[in-house]
Amino acid sequence: EAQVTQNPRYLITVTGKKLTVTCSQNMNHEYMSWYRQDPGLGLRQIYYSMNVEVTDKGDVPEGYKVSRKEKRNFPLILESPSPNQTSLYFCASSLSVGASSYEQYFGPGTRLTVT
Amino acid sequence: KQEVTQIPAALSVPEGENLVLNCSFTDSAIYNLQWFRQDPGKGLTSLLLIQSSQREQTSGRLNASLDKSSGRSTLYIAASQPGDSATYLCALHILTGGGNKLTFGTGTQLKVEL
Repeated sequence: EAQVTQNPRYLITVTGKKLTVTCSQNMNHEYMSWYRQDPGLGLRQIYYSMNVEVTDKGDVPEGYKVSRKEKRNFPLILESPSPNQTSLYFCASSLSVGASSYEQYFGPGTRLTVT
Repeated sequence: KQEVTQIPAALSVPEGENLVLNCSFTDSAIYNLQWFRQDPGKGLTSLLLIQSSQREQTSGRLNASLDKSSGRSTLYIAASQPGDSATYLCALHILTGGGNKLTFGTGTQLKVEL
């Protein structure tokens, strides 16, 4: 089954404790990205990756890091989480061929609480 | 900056009604438009993708239209069912130097009652 998976689905942590949220897709997509969803603010892009070893900032990158060492994986790293990073996080992927845009597929989400 | 507005913000209808959800955007320089549904606390499920060269797309009881010149897309749901209850989001595909970024609308929360 074609899908985007995220782990963990739920995470409660304390301020300053480094964490990683994993994202994996099995559709051989080049493009992957991370979004966060907050009440009243909607979904906002954190980081994206055009392909292996190619990453760039989205609209709200502060406090986050990413890496893309393999095509299927795109982990989101919070080096020193703070309470304002409490949010619902989504990973997404799509094909990215030339100057075209394709349907994007989303993971099930990771609900993060930082106390 | 592109702004995407969805009206109404919330909608409650009896089962069986046909309904229309609206999505408006300020900049017509979009590439494609994608409609999603989101169930409470869950992920986003893609419903329809309308290519910029298309004017509409259909899937089952869903029909989405796109009018770039007026900055508007509509999602038509025929014969609504309680299982259609969810939040519906439209998202614009913006082609930038960084590829295929989505700009999301504010969402319409739909409740279909028995």
